[in-house]
Amino acid sequence: ETTLTQSPAFMSATPGDKVNISCKASQDIDDDMNWYQQKPGEAAIFIILEATTLVPGIPPRFSGSGYGTDFTLTINKIESEDAAYYFCLQHDNFPYTFGQGTKLEIK
Amino acid sequence: QVQLVESGGGLVKPGGSLRLSCAASGFTFSDFSMSWIRQAPGQGLEWLSYVSSGSDYTTYADSVQGRFSISRDNAKNSLYLQMNILRAEDTAVYYCARDRDGPDYWGQGTLVTVSS
Repeated sequence: ETTLTQSPAFMSATPGDKVNISCKASQDIDDDMNWYQQKPGEAAIFIILEATTLVPGIPPRFSGSGYGTDFTLTINKIESEDAAYYFCLQHDNFPYTFGQGTKLEIK
Repeated sequence: QVQLVESGGGLVKPGGSLRLSCAASGFTFSDFSMSWIRQAPGQGLEWLSYVSSGSDYTTYADSVQGRFSISRDNAKNSLYLQMNILRAEDTAVYYCARDRDGPDYWGQGTLVTVSS
């Protein structure tokens, strides 16, 4: 089973900031990494597929990078609407596994 | 647009059973694999099960193997999760998700509470 270690668990940012969220895999997963955003009471939204590809309709201030074991979700010029829970998922092998999640607060 | 709506959650006693349903619309259901995922209160997300588009392949997390069963009815655009021998630790919000290289579209979830 592939373990994903996501950090930080919580972060606070000011509108206009740039933030990075890290997800490290316990073994090589190529680019089989997805990122999601979830707000309370809402369905999760798919934002990055295959580590670096922005899902259509997602604002370009979101980007993903990485390959193998180290991955990063970057949000440039944060907006208040970006306050949410973010999590990574690997789909390289079953069982799919998730990072522990990052709660992003906007001041 | 893609819509996934879960139903069937509720309160059940330990050892009991429950069947969750997921109604899909806005896409050709029979073309896509599907997954079930859950999130226990205050915990992270846990993938539970996957079924291929034609039901020829299924797989489960160890935590539910032998107790839960995934199935689908492509004629009804519906996904199911039969949950047996439920335990307190199965208490969670259960989500269905369309699966194409990992989950892409998710439902809003249905709450299952296992308690006496």
